[in-house]
Amino acid sequence: DVVLTQSPLSLPVTLGQAASISCRSSQSLLHSSGNTYLSWFQQRPGQSPRRLMYQVSNRDSGVPDRFSGSGSGTDFTLKISRVEAEDVGVYYCMQGTHAPPWTFGQGTKVEIK
Amino acid sequence: EVQLVESGAVLVQPGGSLRLSCAASGFTFSPSWMHWVRQAPGKGLEWVSRSNRDVSNTLYADSVKGRFTVSRDNAKNTLYLQMNSLRAEDTAMYYCAGEFGNWGQGILVTISS
Repeated sequence: DVVLTQSPLSLPVTLGQAASISCRSSQSLLHSSGNTYLSWFQQRPGQSPRRLMYQVSNRDSGVPDRFSGSGSGTDFTLKISRVEAEDVGVYYCMQGTHAPPWTFGQGTKVEIK
Repeated sequence: EVQLVESGAVLVQPGGSLRLSCAASGFTFSPSWMHWVRQAPGKGLEWVSRSNRDVSNTLYADSVKGRFTVSRDNAKNTLYLQMNSLRAEDTAMYYCAGEFGNWGQGILVTISS
């Protein structure tokens, strides 16, 4: 199974500052179709997960443009350009290229300093 | 508005069975790939199962294979998860998700004597 390793696992940030989360895969996530099936999810405290990004850099409807995704192969990054209070929660990357199984990273907890 | 609403029994003894339901509305359910994802208390996300449009190609995590069965009634816009031979380690919040883009609120299943 593909293992996704996120770093850091805990990310204290100052309101208005940028934040970056890394997701590294044990195998390349480039699919034979030419697509890369790497998604990012946000889970706010007490809520269900919500997808932010799919296929690395495509923002889901309603997701603020301060969120951006990048990367290729085995290295991917989620960036928040200016952290707001509502961004507190746990962020997960997930791969679907080598599914089944679909696998998730361990999660990165974003909190306000 | 897209809605996914999980329901079912929430407390079962080890070795027991239960069936979860996920009622969908606000989108075209029948062609959608539907997933079950679970989250043990205080832990990360774990993919459990996927149903294609007509359950001709269902997929399962190794941890539940042979014990869980996913099914769906497209006429009722409802996804099911039949869970047998339940273990303490199956205790988790269970979410249904439509192609990972839409998630239900989750249902907490506890396996305990």
